[in-house]
Amino acid sequence: AQTVTQSQPEMSVQEAETVTLSCTYDTSESDYYLFWYKQPPSRQMILVIRQEAYKQQNATENRFSVNFQKAAKSFSLKISDSQLGDAAMYFCAYWSQGAQKLVFGQGTRLTINP
Amino acid sequence: EAGVTQFPSHSVIEKGQTVTLRCDPISGHDNLYWYRRVMGKEIKFLLHFVKESKQDESGMPNNRFLAERTGGTYSTLKVQPAELEDSGVYFCASSPMGRDIYEQFFGPGTRLTVL
Repeated sequence: AQTVTQSQPEMSVQEAETVTLSCTYDTSESDYYLFWYKQPPSRQMILVIRQEAYKQQNATENRFSVNFQKAAKSFSLKISDSQLGDAAMYFCAYWSQGAQKLVFGQGTRLTINP
Repeated sequence: EAGVTQFPSHSVIEKGQTVTLRCDPISGHDNLYWYRRVMGKEIKFLLHFVKESKQDESGMPNNRFLAERTGGTYSTLKVQPAELEDSGVYFCASSPMGRDIYEQFFGPGTRLTVL
């Protein structure tokens, strides 16, 4: 079975600085997707960024980028120029093509200090 | 386009009572998922509907949980009788059929507290 591990329950960063959230996963599948979701306080969970396992190039969405190391099964999220609106719970998730469902990590609560 | 909606947003019930959670997916999305996050832990898969059929219910904790999706539109998740360990946030997500099935859109969740 696939597992996803986020080893940082909480992180904090100064506004305008850069922060990296860690995620590792375990799988025997060769075809899968990885995601970072963001859940602001009392609000809907939204997709931040997606990475297809077959793509070597790291995904980037504006200030958000990932460092995808397939051999190491690592998928970290880098947030550049942190803004107050980035404060949220961040979940790393794995899409199993075989099981057709998402497997989530435990989440990392990110605080942005003004 | 309306997103995934869930009702109620919060529910506080006594142990032994029954609660029914509702999820309205994005119109046209045949795939509907239920997930749950117990306090401080990871979000866990409960079950997956394709239209009105249960595709996978391997994550359902026990037979106190009953999910339905009549007509392939909205879904309900009933907990009867509720136990203390059922407290948590219940998320619903929907996605289209085909190659974009992994593109899941989440509802805001229902926070269930069992006292």
